[in-house]
Amino acid sequence: AQKITQTQPGMFVQEKEAVTLDCTYDTSDPSYGLFWYKQPSSGEMIFLIYQGSYDQQNATEGRYSLNFQKARKSANLVISASQLGDSAMYFCAMRESAGRRALTFGSGTRLQVQP
Amino acid sequence: GAGVSQSPSNKVTEKGKDVELRCDPISGHTALYWYRQRLGQGLEFLIYFQGNSAPDKSGLPSDRFSAERTGESVSTLTIQRTQQEDSAVYLCASSLGTIGEQFFGPGTRLTVL
Repeated sequence: AQKITQTQPGMFVQEKEAVTLDCTYDTSDPSYGLFWYKQPSSGEMIFLIYQGSYDQQNATEGRYSLNFQKARKSANLVISASQLGDSAMYFCAMRESAGRRALTFGSGTRLQVQP
Repeated sequence: GAGVSQSPSNKVTEKGKDVELRCDPISGHTALYWYRQRLGQGLEFLIYFQGNSAPDKSGLPSDRFSAERTGESVSTLTIQRTQQEDSAVYLCASSLGTIGEQFFGPGTRLTVL
């Protein structure tokens, strides 16, 4: 079974609008972390935001916020006031506390911001 | 620079040849990870080093792949007898211990002809 599922291969959003990128995950580990990374066309992986499974509040970092719904096992990324520079691939990833310490990535969502 | 660096940035090789990819982690980062990203896909974990512990090699796709790391410094990923299916971007990341955020290098784009 997929551990990280991103069901939106591509998304369009108008500049200055908000957009939500979906991510669901599957784990039986009670302690885990969820990450979002941005990958522009240049190929670098840029860390955006982190949510721990025991965090009481949704994580926020500037224009990025994470809509964490633990019971539904979803960790959607919300980008507010989209900018042209937000056009990129976005990857959701999970790290479980048990076993492998590396990140498990989803297949990504390509976001295109239109002027 | 203070970030993770990788070399070469691009490598073109012929099928059957061996290649070595290098990663210089951020100074002081004890954990180092190698990932592979095929065109249009997400990242696949390959191998993970943490301090002096035995590496987690569970993601290596075949015995043609191996990696070494000396202490908490440079790591080398070696692919022997390369195949066309090995063509991908190979990304290295490092972190402070196993809890911290992973910082990624720019990657090495490997093309096997």
